[in-house]
Amino acid sequence: GAVVSQHPSRVICKSGTSVKIECRSLDFQATTMFWYRQFPKQSLMLMATSNEGSKATYEQGVEKDKFLINHASLTLSTLTVTSAHPEDSSFYICSATTGPLYGYTFGSGTRLTVV
Amino acid sequence: AQSVTQPDIHITVSEGASLELRCNYSYGATPYLFWYVQSPGQGLQLLLKYFSGDTLVQGIKGFEAEFKRSQSSFNLRKPSVHWSDAAEYFCAVAPVNSGTYKYIFGTGTRLKVLA
Repeated sequence: GAVVSQHPSRVICKSGTSVKIECRSLDFQATTMFWYRQFPKQSLMLMATSNEGSKATYEQGVEKDKFLINHASLTLSTLTVTSAHPEDSSFYICSATTGPLYGYTFGSGTRLTVV
Repeated sequence: AQSVTQPDIHITVSEGASLELRCNYSYGATPYLFWYVQSPGQGLQLLLKYFSGDTLVQGIKGFEAEFKRSQSSFNLRKPSVHWSDAAEYFCAVAPVNSGTYKYIFGTGTRLKVLA
């Protein structure tokens, strides 16, 4: 079945530094990837939609300069949290799809802690 | 506006008992419908999906869901719950023919299973 690998699973960084999270579709080509943020005991909040070779589409209220998304190939999208602050600490999840008929395949998530 | 409602935030059942998790959606037409499960600190796994046809859908791990158009519902069921089913369950809808693959997630239902 479709597999999405997300790395790293956990990261602790100092305030003011940048962190890159990778999302790879291992056995399929993902035309679209999504990045979500999940607060404790809450649902997933869509941050942005990423299409290969084009600029990401950010949801309202998400700072595009803070959360840089690059979708350089059909199997890789990256989310870079720039100048991280403690309030950016959260669980970030990516998902990939080749179309809604196939559902989404989710990565295992990245727990970001900014100290 | 499109929305997904999961009325039950928490549900506790005894192992071996039956389970029903409720999901109601608000959408102009019949969307694509999904149920996902999330274990703590993990990404989401697709349990089942509905696009059209038979309104009773079978999924993995012994789950099934029934689409009821008249009630705008897509409730998830399992006849006999196992302790390993304890997790967070999310209902999601995806618009049909909207040109977007974006999901709308419900707020989730946390399932606790008593031994």
